[in-house]
Amino acid sequence: NAGVTQTPKFRVLKTGQSMTLLCAQDMNHEYMYWYRQDPGMGLRLIHYSVGEGTTAKGEVPDGYNVSRLKKQNFLLGLESAAPSQTSVYFCASSSPRTASSTDTQYFGPGTRLTVL
Amino acid sequence: EDKVVQSPLSLVVHEGDTVTLNCSYEVTNFRSLLWYKQEKKAPTFLFMLTSSGIEKKSGRLSSILDKKELFSILNITATQTGDSAIYLCAGVGGGSNYKLTFGKGTLLTVNP
Repeated sequence: NAGVTQTPKFRVLKTGQSMTLLCAQDMNHEYMYWYRQDPGMGLRLIHYSVGEGTTAKGEVPDGYNVSRLKKQNFLLGLESAAPSQTSVYFCASSSPRTASSTDTQYFGPGTRLTVL
Repeated sequence: EDKVVQSPLSLVVHEGDTVTLNCSYEVTNFRSLLWYKQEKKAPTFLFMLTSSGIEKKSGRLSSILDKKELFSILNITATQTGDSAIYLCAGVGGGSNYKLTFGKGTLLTVNP
């Protein structure tokens, strides 16, 4: 049981390049989330998904797209990377079986992205 | 706009000290408050609080919620160097439109 995994762990991009971050969870959780964490800013929600085939915008969605084609995977895409997207990206998942389990999120190890 | 404010932003103590971390929140359709510990990598879940006045406890850590005054505290007694981390507080609200708002965290450093 690996929990929540993220690929890749590190990446350096040039401005304008595109990339996709992959999040996978093996806990059969319905809900999945993408956050970014910047110094002094805390964790901010980018997009989230409450089930396969559904996605919704979070607090800072601009410049990102997501897809949830399979229940266990949640992809975060950067179509044209900008230096402002330099950050650590965390994926998380939770289960809606009860209100308490919905609110308890399990986090992946993070992806450190640098955009030059 | 929902807001979660943590204080202090950083704290340095000696092993054995007791610390109290604060979290105040303004969250629409408030549902719960979460505490996480973040060391080098991913945040790990500590507590979820939904009811006022009921203390949650895990070893040397405890937390309580005051829904009238809109704040929560996290207490750590007999601190150890392994408690050094960023402690994150998050408010869950939004009703059917689930929304979680994190505070900026408190950086706790425990010196031997």
